[in-house]
Amino acid sequence: EIVLTQSPGTLSLSPGERATLSCRASQSINSMYLAWYQQRPGQAPRLLIYVTSSRATGIPDRFSGSGSGTDFTLTISRLEPEDSAVYYCQHYGSSPLTFGGGTKVEI
Amino acid sequence: QVQLVESGGGVVQPGRSLRLSCAASGSTFSTSAMHWVRQAPGKGLEWVAAIWYDGSHESYADSLKGRFTISRDNSNNMVYLQMNSLRAEDTAVYYCARFSSFVSALDYWGQGILVTVSS
Repeated sequence: EIVLTQSPGTLSLSPGERATLSCRASQSINSMYLAWYQQRPGQAPRLLIYVTSSRATGIPDRFSGSGSGTDFTLTISRLEPEDSAVYYCQHYGSSPLTFGGGTKVEI
Repeated sequence: QVQLVESGGGVVQPGRSLRLSCAASGSTFSTSAMHWVRQAPGKGLEWVAAIWYDGSHESYADSLKGRFTISRDNSNNMVYLQMNSLRAEDTAVYYCARFSSFVSALDYWGQGILVTVSS
């Protein structure tokens, strides 16, 4: 089973700043199967990024993903107040599907 | 557009059973794998189970095998999660989600349904 470790646990930043979120896999994974989700308080998760770096429909271009092997990154280039949320990375190359523990972004 | 609506949650005593339902709208239901994901209060996301588009294959989180069963009815655009021998630690919001093979991710989620296991 692939274990995903996200860091930091919490990120406190100001509007307009850049956020860099890390997701580290316990072994090398195919970047085709790495996704990121945003979960705002009281809401269901929402797909942000798929296949490591492709933005889902309707996701603004200030969100970007990168990485390969065991290290993946979600970057939010210019934080806006509505970006306050918990962000999860996820892998599903084969069963089981796994999520990272999440990074909370406070603005 | 796809909409997923969960139902069947509530308060249940430890050791009892509960069946969650997820109603899907949209023409792509019968061609999509479906998943259940849960989130305990104040915790992160935990994958529960998945079922192939045609129901031919199921997979489960190791910790839940033998207690939970996922199924689907493509003629009625429904997916189910039968939960048996419930424990306090099963208390969570349960989400159904569609897996898109095009993006290899869960691209649509329901709003979630709360299951509370308590005496």
